[in-house]
Amino acid sequence: AQTVTQSQPEMSVQEAETVTLSCTYDTSESDYYLFWYKQPPSRQMILVIRQEAYKQQNATENRFSVNFQKAAKSFSLKISDSQLGDAAMYFCAYRTGTASKLTFGTGTRLQVTL
Amino acid sequence: DTGVSQDPRHKITKRGQNVTFRCDPISEHNRLYWYRQTLGQGPEFLTYFQNEAQLEKSRLLSDRFSAERPKGSFSTLEIQRTEQGDSAMYLCASSSPRGGAFFGQGTRLTVV
Repeated sequence: AQTVTQSQPEMSVQEAETVTLSCTYDTSESDYYLFWYKQPPSRQMILVIRQEAYKQQNATENRFSVNFQKAAKSFSLKISDSQLGDAAMYFCAYRTGTASKLTFGTGTRLQVTL
Repeated sequence: DTGVSQDPRHKITKRGQNVTFRCDPISEHNRLYWYRQTLGQGPEFLTYFQNEAQLEKSRLLSDRFSAERPKGSFSTLEIQRTEQGDSAMYLCASSSPRGGAFFGQGTRLTVV
């Protein structure tokens, strides 16, 4: 069974600084996708960034980028120039290429301080 | 607004009553998912539709839960004989075959 592990329950970063959130996953599939979702206190899940496993290049979306290490099954999220609005729960998620359901990690709560 | 829409946003019901939630996906998405989320946890998969076909259902899903997507567009999730343990946020999401899933704002269910 596929599992997603986020080992950091909480992280804190100062405004304008950079923070990295960790995620590891376990799978025997070769075709899969990885995602980071943000869930602010309003509770709507927002897709932040996605990575296809077959792509070697790390995905980037503005201030958000990933470090995808396929052999290590690691998928970390880097947030640069952190802003107060980045404060939220961040969930790492996985799904196979042919499915179906997303499997989520337990989340990392990110605090942004002045 | 072309995002995923869920109705109602909040529902309070007495234990033993039936409740039904509705989800309208993004129109061009053929995949639709229901998840449940309790406080402090990540979303837990409930069921998945591709067009009108229900292709996967969580083994954790009680027989009191049923979902439909009759015309491959909107979907409903019904919970019969609600229990206090059913209190949670129910999230709907939709996606294209190889895209990321986009979530609605959820329906918060409170069973009293």
